[in-house]
This record gives sequence, structure tokens and C-alpha cells, in this order.
Amino acid sequence: NAGVIQTPRHKVTGKGQEATLWCEPISGHSAVFWYRQTIVQGLEFLTYFRNQAPIDDSGMPKERFSAQMPNQSHSTLKIQSTQPQDSAVYLCASSLDPDYEQYFGPGTRLTVL
Amino acid sequence: GQQVQQSPASLVLQEGENAELQCNFSTSLNSMQWFYQRPGGSLVSLFYNPSGTKQSGRLTSTTVIKERRSSLHISSSQTTDSGTYLCAMATNSAGNKLTFGIGTRVLVRP
Repeated sequence: NAGVIQTPRHKVTGKGQEATLWCEPISGHSAVFWYRQTIVQGLEFLTYFRNQAPIDDSGMPKERFSAQMPNQSHSTLKIQSTQPQDSAVYLCASSLDPDYEQYFGPGTRLTVL
Repeated sequence: GQQVQQSPASLVLQEGENAELQCNFSTSLNSMQWFYQRPGGSLVSLFYNPSGTKQSGRLTSTTVIKERRSSLHISSSQTTDSGTYLCAMATNSAGNKLTFGIGTRVLVRP
């Protein structure tokens, strides 16, 4: 069991560029969550999927951010026209069921110059 | 307002000392987890503990739903326990997303 896999581990973009972050959940887990961690805001929920369907995106910024889960083995978080304030560690987590324990990946550190 | 209050914000221990970290919730909770994180490191799940007491080695987690609180006890601390401990809860009203506390930064001196 490799755990939750996130790629890339580090990404540097210029202001205005697009960033796509990838997450591979633990095999057999039906729920996938995205969070963001910054020093100022701490850990914040962004969005989650259950059985590939979007369930709750209440934490997603309304503009520029989108998430998809095209199949059970991966989810993507896309940020268009990245801004310096988007710099953060983006964390993906999965759980066997949404009510159960969540397991986190190592995160993708996004730096927007 | 803030739904998860964690205390203390930081803690310095001498190796061998015990410590108690607290989490208080302003709403009823559906589930809760304790995590450990080193600087620049991943979130490691220590306990999934919606209620009652669980123990793993020198760590013990106790969640009392009626009192809306959870605690993490570290016994006989070691330098390798240094890092940040975070609690997180999920509530029925907010679905399954986790709401995190700000964390307790623990430093264990040799």
C-alpha cells in the first residue's frame, strides 16, 4: 500500500500561469478530499468527491480553481492564472468512506512567483 | 467563529515529561482525528477517535462528545516527539470535511 500519492511534490509557476496538481488515492477508497495549508490560514478544506462525484466544493475559491475526478484512481486540482496568494501546500486525502479516517498524501508545495 | 480551539499553542518539554494537549469544539461532532506533522512534513494520522479512549504506545487520545472536547496525552516524551500536533473534526451539519485546529507546537529538549 503506497498511501496517497501526490505529484508533483514541488511546483513553481509564474504569475498568470496555470498549475495542475495530481492525486492518486489509496486503492479502494471511495472518498477523495483536497485541502490547502498556509502559515497564515492553517489547514483549510477545499473540495471532496465520493465515488468520483463532486459532493462539496464549499471551500473552493469561486474563480480560477477547479477540481475533477475522471476515474477512481486519480483526481486533479487545477488553478488557472495563478496568483502569489495561491502559494501554499495543497494536500489530498482519501478515506474508505467519507465518515471514516482520512489518510493524507505528502502534499504539493506550490510557489507562485 | 472558530469551531475548533486547540491549546496550548506551544509547549516545551524536558525529555521524559508528560504532556496533555486539548481540543475543544463549538459544535457537536461526528468524527475527529489527531495528526502529527514535522516542519515541511506530511500529516500523519495518529488517532481516529470519534468517542472514548484509544491508546497507541505512549500516546493516548480521549474524546468526550457530551463535553465537546478531545485530548491527546503524551507520556514519557522523547525528542522525536517534537513537531506539531493537530486535531480536526467533522460535523454532521458540515458534511465530512475536516475542520482543523491551529495546532500545538511541541519541542522536547534532551
